[in-house]
Amino acid sequence: AQSVTQPDARVTVSEGASLQLRCKYSSSVTPYLFWYVQYPRQGLQLLLKYYSGDPVVQGVNGFEAEFSKSNSSFHLRKASVHWSDSAVYFCAVKASSFSKLVFGQGTSLSVVP
Amino acid sequence: EAAVTQSPRNKVAVTGGKVTLSCNQTNNHNNMYWYRQDTGHGLRLIHYSYGAGSTEKGDIPDGYKASRPSQENFSLILELATPSQTSVYFCASGDAPWGFYAEQFFGPGTRLTVL
Repeated sequence: AQSVTQPDARVTVSEGASLQLRCKYSSSVTPYLFWYVQYPRQGLQLLLKYYSGDPVVQGVNGFEAEFSKSNSSFHLRKASVHWSDSAVYFCAVKASSFSKLVFGQGTSLSVVP
Repeated sequence: EAAVTQSPRNKVAVTGGKVTLSCNQTNNHNNMYWYRQDTGHGLRLIHYSYGAGSTEKGDIPDGYKASRPSQENFSLILELATPSQTSVYFCASGDAPWGFYAEQFFGPGTRLTVL
């Protein structure tokens, strides 16, 4: 069965600093991978997605993620965070075309001055 | 702009009471989903639907029913609410459930407290 783990429940970074949010997946095949963001009092919004090709995929608002098959990871990165990036970030995985989307536990990001 | 709306946004219910959470989408998507979000668990799928008249069980369906009377509307029903169902509930819609195009569009959530 597929699963996804986000090992960091909370991350705090200074404004302007770089960011990495970690995501590890478990799947017998290369899955479809997604990052969603949830801003306060809102629903989830898609940041980026990946299935094949260049392992570094670009998303909205300067976010990117890098797929690593050897590490079973799909980490999210941003070069310079802004206070408005404070939100909860979810990694999600689909093992195959018709399987359900499985979400990680989420990482709450706080950007401080 | 296409959107997913949920009502009510907040609800306080009593144990043993009936609760209905409503979801409406203007995306014209065939597929709709109900999730609950709890700290430490992320989002977990309760029920989903492939179109009007259809409902399917997700990963945690016990204690919940779903109804899809039309393309636009998808309801989640708690016939006998229990405190363990206190959570934030999200509705989502999607055009294609498969593969790379599995993007789902989420509503703002309903915060349910069962006392």
